[in-house]
Amino acid sequence: KAGVTQTPRYLIKTRGQQVTLSCSPISGHRSVSWYQQTPGQGLQFLFEYFSETQRNKGNFPGRFSGRQFSNSRSEMNVSTLELGDSALYLCASTDLKGFQETQYFGPGTRLLVL
Amino acid sequence: SQQGEEDPQALSIQEGENATMNCSYKTSINNLQWYRQNSGRGLVHLILIRSNEREKHSGRLRVTLDTSKKSSSLLITASRAADTASYFCATANSGYSTLTFGKGTMLLVSP
Repeated sequence: KAGVTQTPRYLIKTRGQQVTLSCSPISGHRSVSWYQQTPGQGLQFLFEYFSETQRNKGNFPGRFSGRQFSNSRSEMNVSTLELGDSALYLCASTDLKGFQETQYFGPGTRLLVL
Repeated sequence: SQQGEEDPQALSIQEGENATMNCSYKTSINNLQWYRQNSGRGLVHLILIRSNEREKHSGRLRVTLDTSKKSSSLLITASRAADTASYFCATANSGYSTLTFGKGTMLLVSP
């Protein structure tokens, strides 16, 4: 099976702009989670979607949002970008068999906000 | 917020030596997972250990879990230069697909 794919891989934006990142999970995986990784805060959970519904959300401002489509592909959006939003954004998909699941990560989208 | 804390923050060893990394966490867990990350790329899943398991092996990897001490260790035997990476432990606290990560251990294996 193909792994988790994320597009774009690199992105440069300026403050105040908005950005949309895309994630395609492994075929058959219905749960998609997003994480932000920065040198200062490390890896932090953003949100998780399952069957087009957001099931869980991390402690991020409302500028961060996401959605999931019927084919399990997911997008996350960040509006009114701030310098501190510069980070590696990672998407992970899960094959939910019971609750002892493994998450498979994509290569990430590296966002630089100038 | 960070659930786990890895120890040490950085580790430098020679090829062929064993590398041990430790992880402590704060709350009860369903499972604990170890991931590897090369140079700021995506995370690669290494091993998952359930809360009712004490030890697990996968190739050159050995993971232990002590839920009474809320700690886990990852042992990489006979390290290779290709093992150079950052290693993260992550805990799953509930039935949802949410992982809480530690800050990681940077492992450098010199030829």
